[in-house]
Formats: sequence, structure tokens, C-alpha cells
Amino acid sequence: LAKTTQPISMDSYEGQEVNITCSHNNIATNDYITWYQQFPSQGPRFIIQGYKTKVTNEVASLFIPADRKSSTLSLPRVSLSDTAVYYCLVARYNNAGNMLTFGGGTRLMVKP
Amino acid sequence: NAGVTQTPKFQVLKTGQSMTLQCAQDMNHNSMYWYRQDPGMGLRLIYYSASEGTTDKGEVPNGYNVSRLNKREFSLRLESAAPSQTSVYFCASSEANYGGSEQYFGPGTRLTVT
Repeated sequence: LAKTTQPISMDSYEGQEVNITCSHNNIATNDYITWYQQFPSQGPRFIIQGYKTKVTNEVASLFIPADRKSSTLSLPRVSLSDTAVYYCLVARYNNAGNMLTFGGGTRLMVKP
Repeated sequence: NAGVTQTPKFQVLKTGQSMTLQCAQDMNHNSMYWYRQDPGMGLRLIYYSASEGTTDKGEVPNGYNVSRLNKREFSLRLESAAPSQTSVYFCASSEANYGGSEQYFGPGTRLTVT
């Protein structure tokens, strides 16, 4: 089972780039890495997903090194509305059963 | 599209009582999931249904049962509630049960067991 570890909290200022790293030392070959954002009293919302190297979409980038033992979510030019909790998920789907391991979450506070 | 809906939003139970949490999705997704989220922790998978007609245990299934009623609906039942089951419960769905499939979450049910 891939154990995922994230920093508990981070602070940033508006307009800065924020990088949140998740450690998943026991990741298996076919596991996927996904990041979710969660606001208070809401369900998590998908941000980005990747398997290896770099993935970019309209809101974030995801960097995964060759050994895949960690991943870094990069949020460019954050705003106050990016204040939320961010979770990484290591997901394994196979006939033996799903293993979906969320990290404990990183609480990002964006200050003006 | 309502996405994933959950009922009720809040519930208070006494120890030993039973209840069913309801979840429905209107995205024609094949796979559905139930998670619990405890304060300061990530989500933990309770049960999932990879496709209509199948259900499987996740990481923390003890004390729970599930029913995949049809493709849209996936319910979670607590037969005899315990204080340790106080948590926020999230239902999610995805197009398919594979690594590249994004999960869509409902708004959650906040359950307190006294």
C-alpha cells in the first residue's frame, strides 16, 4: 500500500507560485497520481492527474520525477480563492481490488 | 447536471441505531465510491463499486454495508452505529474503474454518533 505524505500547511502571497510536494515511496508501477482541492464543507474537486514526467492543464502543473517516489503540484500565481486544502492521491486499480491512498492534505493559506 | 448528490446532509444518531446514506449520480458513470473523512485526515475508502452489480471492500469496511441499487445509485448502510463512525462521508463516481479516471465527489454527509 502506497503511503502518501504531504506537508500539513503552507503559506503564500497572492501572485506567487506555490509548489506542494507529496511523498509516495512505495508507489507501484501502475499507480496513478492525482491531486484534489477541497474547500470547507465541500467535496474534493479534481485538479490534475499524471503518471510520469510533467502534466500541465489550465490551472496547474504536476511534476513527477523518474523514480515516481514523489510528485509536486505547482500552482502558478495563486490568488486568495486558492486558499484550500490540497490532497494527493495514489490510485491503484486492478483485479485484486482498488487501493486508493489519500495523503493527509496540505492546508494552503494565500495572503493578500 | 446535478453531478453527485448525497442525502442527508447532516445526521445525528445514537449508538446502536442504524441508517442508510444515499448517493446518486447523473453522469452515467460506471464506478462509485464511499469515503470517510475524519478531522485533519485524508479520505479513506470504505467500499466501492467498479460497475453495476459489483461491490468491493476498501481500506476501512468494518461496520458498513453497501448496495449498488442501479447504475445511478450507491447506498451506504450503518447497521449499528458507533461513536467511532462519527465522520464526514463522501460519495464519488468516475467514468470507469481505472487509474486515469477522474473522481467526482458529492457534498458530503456529516454524521455524529452519540
